Amino acid sequence: EVHLVESGGGLVQPGGSLRLSCAASGFTFSAYWMNWVRQAPGKGLEWVASVKHDGSEKYYLDSVKGRFTISRDNAKNSLYLQMNSLRAEDTAVYYCARDGEAAGLYFDYWGQGTLVTVSS
Amino acid sequence: DIVMTQSPDSLAVSLGERATINCKSSQSILYSSNNKNYLAWYQQKPGQPPKLLIYWASTRESGVPDRFSGSGSGTDFTLTISSLQAEDVAVYYCHQYYTISALTFGGGTKVEIK
Repeated sequence: EVHLVESGGGLVQPGGSLRLSCAASGFTFSAYWMNWVRQAPGKGLEWVASVKHDGSEKYYLDSVKGRFTISRDNAKNSLYLQMNSLRAEDTAVYYCARDGEAAGLYFDYWGQGTLVTVSS
Repeated sequence: DIVMTQSPDSLAVSLGERATINCKSSQSILYSSNNKNYLAWYQQKPGQPPKLLIYWASTRESGVPDRFSGSGSGTDFTLTISSLQAEDVAVYYCHQYYTISALTFGGGTKVEIK
């Protein structure tokens, strides 16, 4: 059974940094694109970043480019999101999501999410 | 970026009745080389992560009840719940994955019981 478990969220001051992690199990992690999607309180879904199976391609939401870095460690079945220069508008639940089976960047499995709050 | 516009923002439907949600993309998300529409639908219940319902615009994910169906092509898409059940109360989102470098979601449609 596929499991995605996020961790690393918390309260951080504006300008601060956090590193989110996503532990994956139940599938061949190295065979899938992986993604981060966020949801601000009471708002809709917003894609944040995606990384290819081998880490060779990475894509980002414009508003996080230069501040966030997505990475993965296939030996540890883990996905990461390094978030620097955090802003109040980055406050959200951050979900780790797996690329779909049918070779399209839709998301067939999601973690439960980790809450990031950026506030002084 | 491709903008996804959902309508309505919310709807109330009687149990057993049909619910229809629309999603319009600002440009075509039909890839001509494989004739596939790069559109997915998700259901999100309060306090839960989203759940995949439909991908390639009309392919139902395994385990999803057949009362859920997706249709449309190009720029106009529809999610239909043929006979609304109490457990279908949720927010529904469309999602385009045509542009790999700029994935976008619709704003969501809240479905309630009338």
